[in-house]
Amino acid sequence: AQSVTQLGSHVSVSEGALVLLRCNYSSSVPPYLFWYVQYPNQGLQLLLKYTTGATLVKGINGFEAEFKKSETSFHLTKPSAHMSDAAEYFCAVSNRGGSYIPTFGRGTSLIVHP
Amino acid sequence: DTGVSQDPRHKITKRGQNVTFRCDPISEHNRLYWYRQTLGQGPEFLTYFQNEAQLEKSRLLSDRFSAERPKGSFSTLEIQRTEQGDSAMYLCASSLLSGSPYNEQFFGPGTRLTVL
Repeated sequence: AQSVTQLGSHVSVSEGALVLLRCNYSSSVPPYLFWYVQYPNQGLQLLLKYTTGATLVKGINGFEAEFKKSETSFHLTKPSAHMSDAAEYFCAVSNRGGSYIPTFGRGTSLIVHP
Repeated sequence: DTGVSQDPRHKITKRGQNVTFRCDPISEHNRLYWYRQTLGQGPEFLTYFQNEAQLEKSRLLSDRFSAERPKGSFSTLEIQRTEQGDSAMYLCASSLLSGSPYNEQFFGPGTRLTVL
């Protein structure tokens, strides 16, 4: 069985500040890991994914995440927050192969103050 | 290039009524997934199709729920005898099963169901 824990249901930062959204996963086998973003009344958009290879993954909109196997973590960061980054962010883990069905965390709402 | 579309975007119904939602995937995608998302939660898997075959169903998919993908293109999700606990956002996603390591799912905007 696999699961995802996102620490903090809300994260508040000032515009221009570092964004750090935390994600820890549990999986019996090496997983695929994802971060999705959801804007109000919209579907999910893939920000980035880790499948294999380099553990530092770069995504869209200046976001990146680092897979740390020893810590079972996949935290999302962005050096400088922008007002347009305000949204809900979901971390997800999936099995390798087969159905590729992701298990999502509960989400973290990012609030950006001017 | 159109993405995944869902219809309707919003549905308000009274308890006990039946509702049906439609999902149109990206045209060449052979996999289609349904998820449910309640307030303050991440999406939860309901079921998925590969072409017209329904390959997996979650325990969340009670016998009041049925999904079809008759010709391997669009899909419908029907909820019979709706209950207030069915109120949620229903998300559809599609992907192309290929030889690549990961088949990215593309999500639609969702159908928000409110059961009064």
